[in-house]
Amino acid sequence: AQSVTQLDSHVSVSEGTPVLLRCNYSSSYSPSLFWYVQHPNKGLQLLLKYTSAATLVKGINGFEAEFKKSETSFHLTKPSAHMSDAAEYFCVVSFYMDTGRRALTFGSGTRLQVQP
Amino acid sequence: DTGVSQDPRHKITKRGQNVTFRCDPISEHNRLYWYRQTLGQGPEFLTYFQNEAQLEKSRLLSDRFSAERPKGSFSTLEIQRTEQGDSAMYLCASSPGQSQETQYFGPGTRLLVL
Repeated sequence: AQSVTQLDSHVSVSEGTPVLLRCNYSSSYSPSLFWYVQHPNKGLQLLLKYTSAATLVKGINGFEAEFKKSETSFHLTKPSAHMSDAAEYFCVVSFYMDTGRRALTFGSGTRLQVQP
Repeated sequence: DTGVSQDPRHKITKRGQNVTFRCDPISEHNRLYWYRQTLGQGPEFLTYFQNEAQLEKSRLLSDRFSAERPKGSFSTLEIQRTEQGDSAMYLCASSPGQSQETQYFGPGTRLLVL
């Protein structure tokens, strides 16, 4: 069974300080992992994805994530937060179904607040 | 803009009414997905199309829900006899195919059932 746990429902940082959003996964197979961001009243935007290549994955807007198999973690980081980063972030584990569909299992989300 | 589009963006309806939502995927994406997202939760899978064929339906999709993708392009999601528990954001996503499985999401349709 595949599952994702986002360890913090809310994270608040000051503008210009580092961001850390934590994610642990459970997967029977070598997983594909994603981070999506959702701004208010907007759809989900792909930030980055891990598909068994390099363990450090760089995404858009200065975000990156490191896949650590020994810790079953895929934490999202950014060196310096910007006000526009305030949004909901979802960690996602992915696997293939018999139908050929890539099933996505979403975490419950982490709301990032950025204080001026 | 060549992303996934959804219409309407917002819908308010009275309990018992029928509603229909439309999704236009990215051109040439043959896979299309519907998800439901309630407040404070991540999206949950509802159904999946490969071209015009509906290959999977979640147990979340009760008999009151029906989805179609008649020509393998746009899709519609209909909810009959809406209930207050149907209030949610309905998200559509599309992906290109076998070797490129990243799902691209639309802005969603927010449904409120009074």
